[in-house]
Amino acid sequence: GENVEQHPSTLSVQEGDSAVIKCTYSDSASNYFPWYKQELGKGPQLIIDIRSNVGEKKDQRIAVTLNKTAKHFSLHITETQPEDSAVYFCAASNPRNSGYSTLTFGKGTMLLVSP
Amino acid sequence: KAGVTQTPRYLIKTRGQQVTLSCSPISGHRSVSWYQQTPGQGLQFLFEYFSETQRNKGNFPGRFSGRQFSNSRSEMNVSTLELGDSALYLCASSAGQGATGELFFGEGSRLTVL
Repeated sequence: GENVEQHPSTLSVQEGDSAVIKCTYSDSASNYFPWYKQELGKGPQLIIDIRSNVGEKKDQRIAVTLNKTAKHFSLHITETQPEDSAVYFCAASNPRNSGYSTLTFGKGTMLLVSP
Repeated sequence: KAGVTQTPRYLIKTRGQQVTLSCSPISGHRSVSWYQQTPGQGLQFLFEYFSETQRNKGNFPGRFSGRQFSNSRSEMNVSTLELGDSALYLCASSAGQGATGELFFGEGSRLTVL
């Protein structure tokens, strides 16, 4: 089955710096790559996603890049703010024998932004 | 629009007992999936239901089961609880495209097994 590796597990930055989180996946059939942010005591929330026919996508301070050949994708957050502090999860969606896809998540990155 | 509601939020059980967790999806959403979240393993997929049918199942033992009702509400059951079942159980709903579109997560049910 699909395997998603996520690095780093923890990341500390100063407010205003950029943060980069990287993920690799194993199944070349994976075709949808979302990123979720989980704040303390809450469920994960989608912040950005990218599909396999796109190489890069931006939404204000957040961007995601995808390299299908190398099977890796990255989350970039610029001008970090303390409210960006949370756990971030990458995921890859791949079709199953049922004909319906499932999401495989990375183990998460705890981002801490210091004022 | 109300979000995904999970009950109970917290519960404590002892080994060997069984537990049932409930999830009410966003109105109109027909797909409900369940995930187990632990510090060491992240989010692991348990199963997904759509219109009362299980579409996919993760790699968990048969002690973990679920169902979905005609109103899209879902329940999951864990029988013969083990210490390792202690986790946050998250439910997510979507409009039907399953794992190729946005999932809306509830805040989870935190299970502690003693």
